[in-house]
Amino acid sequence: QSVLTQPPSASGTPGQRVTISCSGSSSNIGTNYVDWYQQLPGAAPKLLIYKNNQRPSGVPDRFSGSKSGSSASLAISGLRSDDEADYYCATWDDRLSGPVFGEGTKLTVL
Amino acid sequence: QVQLQESGPGLVKPSETLSLTCTVSADSISSYFWTWIRQPPGKALEWIGYIYYSGRTTYNPSLKSRVTVSLDRSKKQFSLTLNSVTAADTAVYYCARIFNYRIDYWGQGTLVTVSS
Repeated sequence: QSVLTQPPSASGTPGQRVTISCSGSSSNIGTNYVDWYQQLPGAAPKLLIYKNNQRPSGVPDRFSGSKSGSSASLAISGLRSDDEADYYCATWDDRLSGPVFGEGTKLTVL
Repeated sequence: QVQLQESGPGLVKPSETLSLTCTVSADSISSYFWTWIRQPPGKALEWIGYIYYSGRTTYNPSLKSRVTVSLDRSKKQFSLTLNSVTAADTAVYYCARIFNYRIDYWGQGTLVTVSS
């Protein structure tokens, strides 16, 4: 059972905008930055967003992140078929003194 | 560019010890945390533990009694041992680097199956 709560699935058609939510608590999201990872089938997770809304070099600006209180969200605009993947939110948990992850959201491009 | 590569047995018997090593290709392993994360088939990611380059370790309380993470600076390797494994420990195990409280580089992962 994950510390952070995400919807199990999300979907959209090519070109649409989708958002994925992530809910935590005061000991994690409420006081720390949120990161987002994209995991393609059979691959390791890849850092997509860090420090709530920053994109690593090479990540398109179609991906954006935001945080408010103890919740965060990932938005993907101009949806493409190769965006089909599992998306995980993550943050630091002060009680555990380590990283915690969401349950993962499977994105389907219809 | 930082690269990490896991190595170790892909099959472990129940009640025995799982041992994995991660080799880091980087200019330096100093000033970073090095961590192990696992993912059971079809399930979410779970943090196992990490070690700082100084040797200080922190473990997930849910696994703390069975886990050891160690570091060999000269070889640029860090290792995971997990004792008394059961089928519930079957997972893809990833080694990774933590920088500024975020996991920025991951290994490709290695599947470890616990079965007799």
